[in-house]
Amino acid sequence: EDQVTQSPEALRLQEGESSSLNCSYTVSGLRGLFWYRQDPGKGPEFLFTLYSAGEEKEKERLKATLTKKESFLHITAPKPEDSATYLCAVRSNQAGTALIFGKGTTLSVSS
Amino acid sequence: GAVVSQHPSWVICKSGTSVKIECRSLDFQATTMFWYRQFPKQSLMLMATSNEGSKATYEQGVEKDKFLINHASLTLSTLTVTSAHPEDSSFYICSAGLHEGAFGNTIYFGEGSWLTVV
Repeated sequence: EDQVTQSPEALRLQEGESSSLNCSYTVSGLRGLFWYRQDPGKGPEFLFTLYSAGEEKEKERLKATLTKKESFLHITAPKPEDSATYLCAVRSNQAGTALIFGKGTTLSVSS
Repeated sequence: GAVVSQHPSWVICKSGTSVKIECRSLDFQATTMFWYRQFPKQSLMLMATSNEGSKATYEQGVEKDKFLINHASLTLSTLTVTSAHPEDSSFYICSAGLHEGAFGNTIYFGEGSWLTVV
């Protein structure tokens, strides 16, 4: 059964304090790993798609990496506006075209 | 960029009535759309896959007669919650998918619709 586990559930950082969020997955044939940002009461906002181990993508202060078992979302020198819930999702051969989501990591960045 | 729009953003209805939520892909055609449900501080749970021109595929435990899905065109899918009850109150989110091509594997989400049943 496809499974996505994110850790930690919640993370509090000071502005400028870099850290990483983890997404561990077990899937039957990975067809893409997705990172989204979700603000309270809003739909998920697309950040990255990763397809194969070793792949990396960057966007402003965020960098996503992928191995065969997990993905990391690195946040460098975060700002208060980076506060949100970050969701990881996978698409697998078993899931077809739907995404299977983890429970998310809620990030709070204080100034 | 690709945009998915949902309407309404929030709706309040009385128990026993039905309410319809629309999901539109604004600048691309979507043969497949997905409907998710999200409870407070929980992750997104897939309810059903909406296929243009054919019946929706529902996830286990989701009542197809209660959550009616229609995907009548390549840019519009609707979710109708029938005979709504307070326990149906939730945040409903749609997403749209493409045949892999110009947009690759990117899947975009709508802004979500808050349903409150009183």
